[in-house]
Amino acid sequence: DAKTTQPPSMDCAEGRAANLPCNHSTISGNEYVYWYRQIHSQGPQYIIHGLKNNETNEMASLIITEDRKSSTLILPHATLRDTAVYYCIVRAAHRDDKIIFGKGTRLHILP
Amino acid sequence: DAGVIQSPRHEVTEMGQEVTLRCKPISGHDYLFWYRQTMMRGLELLIYFNNNVPIDDSGMPEDRFSAKMPNASFSTLKIQPSEPRDSAVYFCASSFLTNTGELFFGEGSRLTVL
Repeated sequence: DAKTTQPPSMDCAEGRAANLPCNHSTISGNEYVYWYRQIHSQGPQYIIHGLKNNETNEMASLIITEDRKSSTLILPHATLRDTAVYYCIVRAAHRDDKIIFGKGTRLHILP
Repeated sequence: DAGVIQSPRHEVTEMGQEVTLRCKPISGHDYLFWYRQTMMRGLELLIYFNNNVPIDDSGMPEDRFSAKMPNASFSTLKIQPSEPRDSAVYFCASSFLTNTGELFFGEGSRLTVL
């Protein structure tokens, strides 16, 4: 089973920041938080990951709470092309680890 | 790099027929994953390999499903005999577990069993 909980859907106005929450209250100390997204009919695409510190790349920012029990993915200026299902995953740092996807959050960007 | 390559992209077959899905991972990647996606069940992990060896096949639904990885550049997922409930999109993903460990997915094989 997935170790994360996400809202099933969210709306965001185009040009605004999209903030996608994820709860992972049972996360272990060696587990990372990963985010992927899946645009309709395509394979999931990696966005970002982090362990404890906040992370930023060209696609998004990841904010992880100090207790690591939740995180937020931020798309700073959402566009229509960001409409997708966003998956939050936790997985251990060791090599042999099943990567389980939950239901994700369906993000609708509104024009 | 061409990315993860899956074939066929679309397959329509009749119940009882054998189906073989193919995957070429990204060169140099040492992990390969097979997932199945349906509206009802979402994205399910079926099996994954490390260095061509199956590590966990607990997600394979039943004995009708089998997967092989004869070498580092090729894997197959076979369904024999196929049933209508096997209709889904099957994704292959590969990974090289460096400090990022991200998965790279193929475009999927959409299977319809009539």
